[in-house]
Amino acid sequence: DAGITQSPRHKVTETGTPVTLRCHQTENHRYMYWYRQDPGHGLRLIHYSYGVKDTDKGEVSDGYSVSRSKTEDFLLTLESATSSQTSVYFCATIAGGSYEQYFGPGTRLTVT
Amino acid sequence: QKEVEQNSGPLSVPEGAIASLNCTYSDRGSQSFFWYRQYSGKSPELIMSIYSNGDKEDGRFTAQLNKASQYVSLLIRDSQPSDSATYLCAVSYNFNKFYFGSGTKLNVKP
Repeated sequence: DAGITQSPRHKVTETGTPVTLRCHQTENHRYMYWYRQDPGHGLRLIHYSYGVKDTDKGEVSDGYSVSRSKTEDFLLTLESATSSQTSVYFCATIAGGSYEQYFGPGTRLTVT
Repeated sequence: QKEVEQNSGPLSVPEGAIASLNCTYSDRGSQSFFWYRQYSGKSPELIMSIYSNGDKEDGRFTAQLNKASQYVSLLIRDSQPSDSATYLCAVSYNFNKFYFGSGTKLNVKP
């Protein structure tokens, strides 16, 4: 693995509550990514970061925000969770010098 | 229009056979191509990356890229039951654009 951990690994929350997912990496990689994976849709990019405090939107960013205050941590926040955000969320990083992404173990989020 | 298309399968092959997985993509500006394997309930793991036309071999795996046809494939020789998984094709334009197919499920029967 690329030294990536995600927390929590499983979470059940209610509609309308805020949720924050954490991605932590130990390899000092510059680029970090948040994806969601849903049946029939594959992996879709939510947000990415290209350095501390440098973030940008992916293709499915509505309803999500991110922050990166340290190189090793990339946080994904659902300000007010909705049932459509029930999904498996993966964090990824790029090893230096290539576009090869390596994924964390994932967080399964259920919004009831 | 989906950026990356894969047949969802399942693709069933007998143990020891060659499994052939295919992927097409829509944007001719794509520069990098990847195959990931994903076991049920687990995260995707990188198998192969390929950047130029032709074949790239790594053990039992061969990736093939044809940019003119916008086509990338993965061949798995001597398929094993442990190869049973979903295989994801991904393409990249640069560090901020990655598109994944929805995956092909492979079943290797003993």
